[in-house]
Amino acid sequence: KQEVTQIPAALSVPEGENLVLNCSFTDSAIYNLQWFRQDPGKGLTSLLLIQSSQREQTSGRLNASLDKSSGRSTLYIAASQPGDSATYLCAVSPRNDMRFGAGTRLTVKP
Amino acid sequence: NAGVTQTPKFRILKIGQSMTLQCAQDMNHNYMYWYRQDPGMGLKLIYYSVGAGITDKGEVPNGYNVSRSTTEDFPLRLELAAPSQTSVYFCASTQGVEQYFGPGTRLTVT
Repeated sequence: KQEVTQIPAALSVPEGENLVLNCSFTDSAIYNLQWFRQDPGKGLTSLLLIQSSQREQTSGRLNASLDKSSGRSTLYIAASQPGDSATYLCAVSPRNDMRFGAGTRLTVKP
Repeated sequence: NAGVTQTPKFRILKIGQSMTLQCAQDMNHNYMYWYRQDPGMGLKLIYYSVGAGITDKGEVPNGYNVSRSTTEDFPLRLELAAPSQTSVYFCASTQGVEQYFGPGTRLTVT
């Protein structure tokens, strides 16, 4: 059974810092991995999707990497801003479904 | 561009009542999903569908039913509501890669 773990559960940083969020999964047989952002009381917004044949994806200040063999992904956020404060979820797709981690709650202080 | 829409946004049910959560997408996606998210947790898959007339169970299907008579609509039915079904419910759709999420339905069963 695929298990997805995100560390840390919560993170607080001052504005301007670069930071890394971690995601690990137990079964390397995945089709893709997706990072989402969730604001309080809202739905999920897709940030980056990495297909199983890819190693990383970049969008603006965000960079996500994927290492299937070790069952790990990282989300790197450069020059963090207060507007980045949210919960970040990673999810892996083993087949037609998607398994989520519990998320990392990020607070960026001005 | 509507994307994935869900109704209602909020609902309070008494134990034993039934209701249907509505989900619709206008992107002509074949794949649709229902998830629930409990406080501080990631999303868990309830049911999914790979096309009209085809549905399958996810991780936590007990107490729920679904149907998929059209490509656009994927309603989720609760027959005998229980307090354990208090949660936020998200519908999502995809054409095979990136998933798009609705805004969610917050359900309380008392």
